[in-house]
Amino acid sequence: RKEVEQDPGPFNVPEGATVAFNCTYSNSASQSFFWYRQDCRKEPKLLMSVYSSGNEDGRFTAQLNRASQYISLLIRDSKLSDSATYLCVVFIYGGSQGNLIFGKGTKLSVKP
Amino acid sequence: EPEVTQTPSHQVTQMGQEVILRCVPISNHLYFYWYRQILGQKVEFLVSFYNNEISEKSEIFDDQFSVERPDGSNFTLKIRSTKLEDSAMYFCASREAQGSGELFFGEGSRLTVL
Repeated sequence: RKEVEQDPGPFNVPEGATVAFNCTYSNSASQSFFWYRQDCRKEPKLLMSVYSSGNEDGRFTAQLNRASQYISLLIRDSKLSDSATYLCVVFIYGGSQGNLIFGKGTKLSVKP
Repeated sequence: EPEVTQTPSHQVTQMGQEVILRCVPISNHLYFYWYRQILGQKVEFLVSFYNNEISEKSEIFDDQFSVERPDGSNFTLKIRSTKLEDSAMYFCASREAQGSGELFFGEGSRLTVL
């Protein structure tokens, strides 16, 4: 069973559209949750952390449902520059340090 | 803005050769990681490192792999005898503190094994 599952897409949307990504995780010991963004052949970069109460950062809204082990990301008024792969990431604290477990990513392409 | 730096950006090597990938984490960070990403695949955890020793490693990180922090600055990943399937982007990352603080990634080293 995959630890972090995402719809791979691609999502092809016009500028200005609202798009939602979903993610499920299998390890109930997962402690923290994030959305990272990865541009083609670049390193992952933190987009936002995800909190149980839900959180918003400008056009981006993230939600977490611990009971369902489900994470979502909503992008409103999408821009051309939002085109990227969005990675759902969980932090599992094990041993002395813990590490990030990545989903395979959902590819978004915003068209003019 | 402080950043994680990695060298080389791209290395091409023959199968069976040894490769060393270098990383300079952010200076006040204490926790270090290597991840890899095979083209078109997900980012996969290899190893974590703290206090001059490995904290955790994945099943990918077999005896062909080793890590070292030789001089308090560099953090290296060595692959002893490369295989074709080692071709991937290797990302170094570092984190300041304990807990689930943000991981900062380097730009990656692309390894191509021929």
